[in-house]
Amino acid sequence: SQTIHQWPATLVQPVGSPLSLECTVEGTSNPNLYWYRQAAGRGLQLLFYSVGIGQISSEVPQNLSASRPQDRQFILSSKKLLLSDSGFYLCAGQGDNSPLHFGNGTRLTVT
Amino acid sequence: GDSVTQMEGPVTLSEEAFLTINCTYTATGYPSLFWYVQYPGESLQLLLKATKADDKGSNKGFEATYRKETTSFHLEKGSVQVSDSAVYFCALGQGSGTYKYIFGTGTRLKVLA
Repeated sequence: SQTIHQWPATLVQPVGSPLSLECTVEGTSNPNLYWYRQAAGRGLQLLFYSVGIGQISSEVPQNLSASRPQDRQFILSSKKLLLSDSGFYLCAGQGDNSPLHFGNGTRLTVT
Repeated sequence: GDSVTQMEGPVTLSEEAFLTINCTYTATGYPSLFWYVQYPGESLQLLLKATKADDKGSNKGFEATYRKETTSFHLEKGSVQVSDSAVYFCALGQGSGTYKYIFGTGTRLKVLA
């Protein structure tokens, strides 16, 4: 079965600093990959999804970007963090004929 | 665009009570429907799913039936336990291979002993 690895688990960054969150997938090839954000007291917001290497779809205009340099690697980045970027970031993956599986998440606090 | 609407929480129940969490959706085509659960301090995990109209998904005593005529996928459990306390998310998956997932805002359930 597929496993989603995310790191770091927690991160505290100052406003204006860069961000790089990495997600890797095991147990499946050519997965669909997703980045979601869960803000405090709110639901899940789809940020980006990717159906293949180099293919990124953005759902919400924002201060973040995503890249997929390898089949099982998905990276979330920002050049300059804002306070509003604080939240719980979840990477998820979907292999063939399987539902969405989530990583353990990264809790980002921008100070 | 596609959307999922869940009942607002929190929902507080006594142990062994009956649970219903309402979920309705708006979508073009024929999406798959899911319930995910997030236990305190953890990530989300799939609870159950249904891929076509009239399908019933079930797991751990929870059930939900895909109702196309009412565009609903309500979650039910006959007798809740304290360990069921969590946030429950309704979601739809749309597109070839179900590549685009939309989640509701989540409903927090608290079960008291």
